[in-house]
Amino acid sequence: GENVEQHPSTLSVQEGDSAVIKCTYSDSASNYFPWYKQELGKGPQLIIDIRSNVGEKKDQRIAVTLNKTAKHFSLHITETQPEDSAVYFCAPISSGSARQLTFGSGTQLTVLP
Amino acid sequence: NAGVMQNPRHLVRRRGQEARLRCSPMKGHSHVYWYRQLPEEGLKFMVYLQKENIIDESGMPKERFSAEFPKEGPSILRIQQVVRGDSAAYFCASHVGGGSYNEQFFGPGTRLTVL
Repeated sequence: GENVEQHPSTLSVQEGDSAVIKCTYSDSASNYFPWYKQELGKGPQLIIDIRSNVGEKKDQRIAVTLNKTAKHFSLHITETQPEDSAVYFCAPISSGSARQLTFGSGTQLTVLP
Repeated sequence: NAGVMQNPRHLVRRRGQEARLRCSPMKGHSHVYWYRQLPEEGLKFMVYLQKENIIDESGMPKERFSAEFPKEGPSILRIQQVVRGDSAAYFCASHVGGGSYNEQFFGPGTRLTVL
């Protein structure tokens, strides 16, 4: 099965600074790489995703970069705001028949005003 | 277009009772996943269903747990004879199906507490 590691587990940044979260995975057949944001008491919300035929994708202040050779992908948040504070999960998709998401352990991001 | 709906949002059961969790996927979505989240952890896959079919239940405990997604109505995750270790947040996610990848949309979850 897929092994997913996410770093760091906690991250504190000053408002306006950038935040980077890295995710490594083991299944070389994975081809879809989403990032989810989970606020307290809520379900995960998809914030950005990338497919294996693309190296980078950007959506306003959020970007994801993918290195398939090294089997890792990263979430980049620029100009952080207090409302970015949440737990972020990477969740590469499995190559098995279920195509389920395999979640990392999460990164608690705190943006300090 | 309403998102994924789950109910109840909170459920309290005593040991030995049954818990029934319901999930209504987004309109037009015929595929449902159930995930379990323990405190301070990521979500863990339990089961994948299409209408009237269980496609993959490899993440679900062999005993006491069952899931269904009938032709009409919501998907149901059923836990019989609950134990304290079943206390967790249970999330369902739906997607439209088909394609080489699946964008999954999550519901707000059901938080089960076993006393």
